[in-house]
Amino acid sequence: SQQGEEDPQALSIQEGENATMNCSYKTSINNLQWYRQNSGRGLVHLILIRSNEREKHSGRLRVTLDTSKKSSSLLITASRAADTASYFCATDAADSGNTPLVFGKGTRLSVIA
Amino acid sequence: DSGVTQTPKHLITATGQRVTLRCSPRSGDLSVYWYQQSLDQGLQFLIQYYNGEERAKGNILERFSAQQFPDLHSELNLSSLELGDSALYFCASSSRLAWASSSYNEQFFGPGTRLTVL
Repeated sequence: SQQGEEDPQALSIQEGENATMNCSYKTSINNLQWYRQNSGRGLVHLILIRSNEREKHSGRLRVTLDTSKKSSSLLITASRAADTASYFCATDAADSGNTPLVFGKGTRLSVIA
Repeated sequence: DSGVTQTPKHLITATGQRVTLRCSPRSGDLSVYWYQQSLDQGLQFLIQYYNGEERAKGNILERFSAQQFPDLHSELNLSSLELGDSALYFCASSSRLAWASSSYNEQFFGPGTRLTVL
């Protein structure tokens, strides 16, 4: 079944550095979403990019989508300790009827002050 | 605060027991989703309801069931509990589906219920 898979599984950087996380998926999609989860808390929606978009920005977040490679990346610029969390991509399969969003297993980001 | 509420926050019970988790979606949201999150399986979609009707089903065990009531709140029932059912259970809601495109909008997650089965 289709699933977004994030890479790397874990990432540790210094405050102020940029963090890049990647997501790969298997089949055509309507859109791709990125979510953030602080430890033990609910997921928070960050950004949605549609299949006909290539890049989207929101504050310090930049998301790219390459449908030919079936991949997306999430860039967090000028990271802060508060960005420490797990980040998940979720894909919405095209022409799939009732298939729901499928989440990857996430990238655990640690930003060290 | 996402606007989605879940009760209880924590639940500790024994194997073989039955529990009910409750979720109230954001005001106006018709879709409710249930997810299970465990360390080894990640976030697994269980089931979705839209305006009281089952819309999509994922990896939900036969021992689990859910429903959405006329006031749009939802309950997830877990029975004959096993040790492996210990996990975080999340509810999420979203605004009406774009039926024509089958495209999903962003989902708003509740704080979760942590279930521990001893």
